[in-house]
Amino acid sequence: KQEVTQIPAALSVPEGENLVLNCSFTDSAIYNLQWFRQDPGKGLTSLLLIQSSQREQTSGRLNASLDKSSGRSTLYIAASQPGDSATYLCAVRPRQAGTALIFGKGTTLSVSS
Amino acid sequence: GAGVSQSPRYKVTKRGQDVALRCDPISGHVSLYWYRQALGQGPEFLTYFNYEAQQDKSGLPNDRFSAERPEGSISTLTIQRTEQRDSAMYRCASSLGPNSNEQFFGPGTRLTVL
Repeated sequence: KQEVTQIPAALSVPEGENLVLNCSFTDSAIYNLQWFRQDPGKGLTSLLLIQSSQREQTSGRLNASLDKSSGRSTLYIAASQPGDSATYLCAVRPRQAGTALIFGKGTTLSVSS
Repeated sequence: GAGVSQSPRYKVTKRGQDVALRCDPISGHVSLYWYRQALGQGPEFLTYFNYEAQQDKSGLPNDRFSAERPEGSISTLTIQRTEQRDSAMYRCASSLGPNSNEQFFGPGTRLTVL
């Protein structure tokens, strides 16, 4: 059974720091991996999607990497800002289990000014 | 529409009552998914549809939970005889099709069972 783990569960940093959020998954047979942002009272916002054949994706200050063989992904946030404060969720789409996403529990990020 | 919408946004009900949660997917999206998210957890899959056909309901926790999408657009998740343990955020997502990469999520319905 595919399991997704995110470390750390919570992270507090001062504004301007670069930071890394980690995601690991137990079964490397995935179709893709997606990073989401969750804000209180709002839906999930897709940040980056990495296909299983890709190694990384970049969007602005965000960079996500994927090492499928080791079952790991990282989300790198450069020059963090208070507006980056949110919960970040990692989700994998298994290759063999239909199209349902399997999520980790998330990392709650707090960036102080 | 511009995005996935869900209603109501908040629902408070008493134990034993039935509730119906609605999801309106992005126009033209074939696939629709329901997830449930407990506090401090990631969303967990409940069920999904392609057009009006329910393709997978393996995530529904018991027979009090059911879902339908009769015309292949709006979907309703119904919980009968609600229990306190049903309290959670219920999230809906849609995608262009079953092979589409990206799922787009709605704002969710916060259900509280007293």
